[in-house]
Amino acid sequence: EDQVTQSPEALRLQEGESSSLNCSYTVSGLRGLFWYRQDPGKGPEFLFTLYSAGEEKEKERLKATLTKKESFLHITAPKPEDSATYLCAVREGAGSYQLTFGKGTKLSVIP
Amino acid sequence: DADVTQTPRNRITKTGKRIMLECSQTKGHDRMYWYRQDPGLGLRLIYYSFDVKDINKGEISDGYSVSRQAQAKFSLSLESAIPNQTALYFCATSGREGTDTQYFGPGTRLTVL
Repeated sequence: EDQVTQSPEALRLQEGESSSLNCSYTVSGLRGLFWYRQDPGKGPEFLFTLYSAGEEKEKERLKATLTKKESFLHITAPKPEDSATYLCAVREGAGSYQLTFGKGTKLSVIP
Repeated sequence: DADVTQTPRNRITKTGKRIMLECSQTKGHDRMYWYRQDPGLGLRLIYYSFDVKDINKGEISDGYSVSRQAQAKFSLSLESAIPNQTALYFCATSGREGTDTQYFGPGTRLTVL
């Protein structure tokens, strides 16, 4: 069973059409949930870290939220340049520095 | 200049060949990681190192070895490459303090024929 599940696998939006990406996790003792953006053929680019339920972080058109079982990445009025794959990762357990990644959501924003 | 660099960026090799991928960083971080990415499987950890004398196996270390030559350099070797090691390989670094967020390099696309 996957510890980190992202949905949907792919999402097509019209420019300006707001939506949310989901990351659900089953790890115990969450020590951090990370969101990355990845463009084709490039390395993941760090976006946010969330640590506790109720925490929210924003950057431009993106807003990440965290509950005890999942995180949402809200995209408000997206633009074509927001097209990318968005990755979620979790770190669990005291003393653990390993990240477990989900498989990502591929977002396409159509002009 | 990029904080995390990887060489080569692309490599095509043949089954049985030995190959080394290199990673350098200027972020001053102690911790370095090697991941591979396959379509439909996501990023998986191969090895990680917390300092020059500390090397740890990750989820999928079989068939790979690493060397931490200096704080800023971490190399991944495939002793005898096989076709199912065809993948994108990423190096990442993180600092000791704060969030321990991992920052990724641009990747190496490796093809084993």
